[in-house]
Amino acid sequence: EAQVTQNPRYLITVTGKKLTVTCSQNMNHEYMSWYRQDPGLGLRQIYYSMNVEVTDKGDVPEGYKVSRKEKRNFPLILESPSPNQTSLYFCASSRSRGQSNTEAFFGQGTRLTVV
Amino acid sequence: GNSVTQMEGPVTLSEEAFLTINCTYTATGYPSLFWYVQYPGEGLQLLLKATKADDKGSNKGFEATYRKETTSFHLEKGSVQVSDSAVYFCAFRRGATNKLIFGTGTLLAVQP
Repeated sequence: EAQVTQNPRYLITVTGKKLTVTCSQNMNHEYMSWYRQDPGLGLRQIYYSMNVEVTDKGDVPEGYKVSRKEKRNFPLILESPSPNQTSLYFCASSRSRGQSNTEAFFGQGTRLTVV
Repeated sequence: GNSVTQMEGPVTLSEEAFLTINCTYTATGYPSLFWYVQYPGEGLQLLLKATKADDKGSNKGFEATYRKETTSFHLEKGSVQVSDSAVYFCAFRRGATNKLIFGTGTLLAVQP
């Protein structure tokens, strides 16, 4: 079954404690990205990756890091989380090659609370 | 700049009512247009899409037509069900990129 798997689904942490949210896809997709969803703002892209070892900033990258050492995995790292990073996070993957009608597959989401 | 404007929710309807959720976009070039649905506690799922002007996307009784002259992609369904209660996102993607630009989402609540 084609899927994007995120872990954990729920996380409560304290300010400044480093955390990693994992994302893995089984569709051999080149393109992966992270979004955060906030009320009234929709989904905003944090970082994206066109392929292994190729990552770039999205619209709201401050306070986040990513890596793409393997094609299937794209972890999101918060080195020093702050309360304004409390949000619902989604990982997504899709085929690349500039095909505009390729479907994006989303993970189930990670609800992060930073206190 | 590139953006998507959706009607604000929540939209509350009775079962079997007609649904319209308006969506307009601002983009250069010829974007592909999408509607995604997010059921409670789940991730986003592609509901339907259209890749060129006058295309009609359809799925599960929902329809949307790519109107380039009005830069719109309104979502419609003739008879909603309680199970359609969800958040609906309009989005577009430009030809050479994979980046999706989302609207703010519209919460639909269907009452029996």
